[in-house]
Amino acid sequence: AQSVSQHNHHVILSEAASLELGCNYSYGGTVNLFWYVQYPGQHLQLLLKYFSGDPLVKGIKGFEAEFIKSKFSFNLRKPSVQWSDTAEYFCAVNEGTGFQKLVFGTGTRLLVSP
Amino acid sequence: NAGVTQTPKFQVLKTGQSMTLQCAQDMNHEYMSWYRQDPGMGLRLIHYSVGAGITDQGEVPNGYNVSRSTTEDFPLRLLSAAPSQTSVYFCASSPRGSEAFFGQGTRLTVV
Repeated sequence: AQSVSQHNHHVILSEAASLELGCNYSYGGTVNLFWYVQYPGQHLQLLLKYFSGDPLVKGIKGFEAEFIKSKFSFNLRKPSVQWSDTAEYFCAVNEGTGFQKLVFGTGTRLLVSP
Repeated sequence: NAGVTQTPKFQVLKTGQSMTLQCAQDMNHEYMSWYRQDPGMGLRLIHYSVGAGITDQGEVPNGYNVSRSTTEDFPLRLLSAAPSQTSVYFCASSPRGSEAFFGQGTRLTVV
């Protein structure tokens, strides 16, 4: 079965620091890749997605992610974080191109101190 | 557009009680799904539907039933609530070939 690993469970950064959150998945075939963000007390919102094409994907709020097929990775980056980025971040993978039967990582809690 | 609407937002049940979590979407999405979110475990798929009248099991289906009589609605039924079902439940919908949109969640406590 497909699995997703997020290496960092808790990350604490100061404002303006750079962010990189790791995500690795196990499926070797065609995948769709997602990063979702969950602000405190809210539902999941899509940050960015990769279906095909340019492996460097830009999302909302200055986030980007790079798909490296050879490493089965889809790491999330942001050059300079803000206090408002405090949230939980989930990497998710869907096998193939059919129904979005998402497999989620365990999440990374990011705390940005002002 | 309301998007994906879940009711109730909070619920406390006694062990053995049954209840239905409601989910409705107004985006005419083909696919709908239910996930549960538990600390340190991310979200796990309970049941999903690829269209009206078609449902299937996800990773953790035991103790839950679903049906999809219309495109808009996808209720999740807890048959006999157990403390292990204490969780936050999210409903999601998606069009074919695109990302999932999530509801606000239902926080369920079973005592």
